[in-house]
Amino acid sequence: QVQLQESGPGLVKPSETLSLICTVSGDSISTYYWNWIRQPPGKGLEWIGFIYYSGSTNYNPSLKSRVTISVDTSKNQFSLKLTSVTAADTAVYFCARARSGFAFDIWGQGTMVTVSS
Amino acid sequence: DIVMTQSPDSLAVSLGERATINCKSSQSVLFSSNNKNYLTWYQQKPGQPPKLLIYWASTRESGVPDRFSGSGSGTDFTLTISSVQAEDVAVYYCQQYNKSPCTFGQGTKLEI
Repeated sequence: QVQLQESGPGLVKPSETLSLICTVSGDSISTYYWNWIRQPPGKGLEWIGFIYYSGSTNYNPSLKSRVTISVDTSKNQFSLKLTSVTAADTAVYFCARARSGFAFDIWGQGTMVTVSS
Repeated sequence: DIVMTQSPDSLAVSLGERATINCKSSQSVLFSSNNKNYLTWYQQKPGQPPKLLIYWASTRESGVPDRFSGSGSGTDFTLTISSVQAEDVAVYYCQQYNKSPCTFGQGTKLEI
């Protein structure tokens, strides 16, 4: 059974960098597209971007200047870095697998990240 | 960006009644190369990640009850719950990835 688990700090100071890791278990990361998606408290879902195991990426233009997604196939992990964060980046961050039809079929439980001094 | 607009924003139905949620995209999400609509439906309950219900607009995910069905093509789509159960209380989202960036509807809250 494929499982995803997000990890990283729950509190980040304004202007600093948010860093999260998603660990994939039960399947190799060397297939599918691996995504980050976020959800501000009480609001809807926003796609951040994806990475393929080969390292190719695609980012949401609204965040592109601040986002880096990378993959470590040896650890079966992929990661998110979001620079220069503000309170508007406070959200639950999910990692998710995309398969046929670019449907997100497997999700992590999500991790709440608060941007505050 | 393709804008996904759901209607209604919230919906209250009685147990056993039919619920219909609409999703309209600002551009077609039909991929001409394979004639598939890149339109997906999710269910999200409080404190949980979204759960995949329907992909390619009308294909039910394995394990999803058959009271959930999806229809539509191009720019207009519908999620139907034929006989609402108590456990269906949730927020429902549509999502497209025919064109980058992937975008979601604003969500529809289903209540009993």
